Amino acid sequence: EPEVTQTPSHQVTQMGQEVILRCVPISNHLYFYWYRQILGQKVEFLVSFYNNEISEKSEIFDDQFSVERPDGSNFTLKIRSTKLEDSAMYFCAGENRGRGNIQYFGAGTRLSVL
Amino acid sequence: GESVGLHLPTLSVQEGDNSIINCAYSNSASDYFIWYKQESGKGPQFIIDIRSNMDKRQGQRVTVLLNKTVKHLSLQIAATQPGDSAVYFCAEGGAAGNKLTFGGGTRVLVKP
Repeated sequence: EPEVTQTPSHQVTQMGQEVILRCVPISNHLYFYWYRQILGQKVEFLVSFYNNEISEKSEIFDDQFSVERPDGSNFTLKIRSTKLEDSAMYFCAGENRGRGNIQYFGAGTRLSVL
Repeated sequence: GESVGLHLPTLSVQEGDNSIINCAYSNSASDYFIWYKQESGKGPQFIIDIRSNMDKRQGQRVTVLLNKTVKHLSLQIAATQPGDSAVYFCAEGGAAGNKLTFGGGTRVLVKP
């Protein structure tokens, strides 16, 4: 069964450094998302991406964040200058155009900002 | 503001018993709901969904009930098994391509 894969599984970085989180969505998916989950809290929407453009972003997704799908397969989330409060699990999700709004999630990248 | 939330943070259930997880939502215009299961160290896993034009939907050992009058959603798990131990989230969505708005999560602990 196809899966959404995310790398790395754990990223440790120093405050102020840039990080790139990578995702390979399921091949026939059309819509892509990034969510984050701070430890012990609920999953929060960051950004949605469709047809090579951002379709919606949350207040969290400020100008320190960017997304790309550079080669038609990988989907990346970049944080330009990490802050302590960026420490969280980051989940990539994908969705096909079908019944409903079912999104399939990767296992996540744990980002630890020191 | 609009929100999707959960009543019980932790539910302990005996193996073999049925589990009921509840969720309240505040946006009466919501038309689509999903339940996800999240095991430790993993991403949310789709369980079942329901549209607002339905009040019940059944899957394998799971049933989702929707009461639009009181804006309440529940997930019933029949004959709960140890593998059902996880955190369960309800989420509000819409048409394809819409973000999901997650509730706070309920942890289900299955006792042998």
